[in-house]
Amino acid sequence: DSGVTQTPKHLITATGQRVTLRCSPRSGDLSVYWYQQSLDQGLQFLIQYYNGEERAKGNILERFSAQQFPDLHSELNLSSLELGDSALYFCASSVDGRVNSPLHFGNGTRLTVT
Amino acid sequence: GENVEQHPSTLSVQEGDSAVIKCTYSDSASNYFPWYKQELGKGPQLIIDIRSNVGEKKDQRIAVTLNKTAKHFSLHITETQPEDSAVYFCAASSEYSGGGADGLTFGKGTHLIIQP
Repeated sequence: DSGVTQTPKHLITATGQRVTLRCSPRSGDLSVYWYQQSLDQGLQFLIQYYNGEERAKGNILERFSAQQFPDLHSELNLSSLELGDSALYFCASSVDGRVNSPLHFGNGTRLTVT
Repeated sequence: GENVEQHPSTLSVQEGDSAVIKCTYSDSASNYFPWYKQELGKGPQLIIDIRSNVGEKKDQRIAVTLNKTAKHFSLHITETQPEDSAVYFCAASSEYSGGGADGLTFGKGTHLIIQP
């Protein structure tokens, strides 16, 4: 068990809708990351937060947004959903947010857009 | 930016044999190379990592080697067991890339199948 908790485990929704994915980092970790995993794209980095502030941004669409709250949990909001947004979304955390620090991944949220 | 290529995409070995997964990277400034294992239905888990100041690191049946000149690194699993069946991801990063997670680049993964 990595100590990173993601909810919900599964989400099925229709095109055009909006969903929120939630992540609680491992105890003591200050940085949270969001990754998207699809079959043909591997692990794609979306966005990173450190102690409530955005630290780095990857290939995150404008329809997607995220934030990290004072208690360090994070939410990823996906809006105007398209079929192509169907994927596994992983949250990870690290103690200090440095690029060379180990990441601890949750078990993901599987999003299906119909 | 960094580009990490991973081979093979699928590897099938007999239980008890060794498995080797290879990755190449493009940015000579990269100095941290972790390997993650992803079991079915779970998130990736760090299994071993190596920094550019060493050429090899071992942890029981798992070892990683790094060739900085050739810019490639490999994961070696000896005496494979059924529980080694998973997808393995290599990654590379440089602390000089700006510091954020956008500096960590993953390979596309290798599906390792252990045949009984």
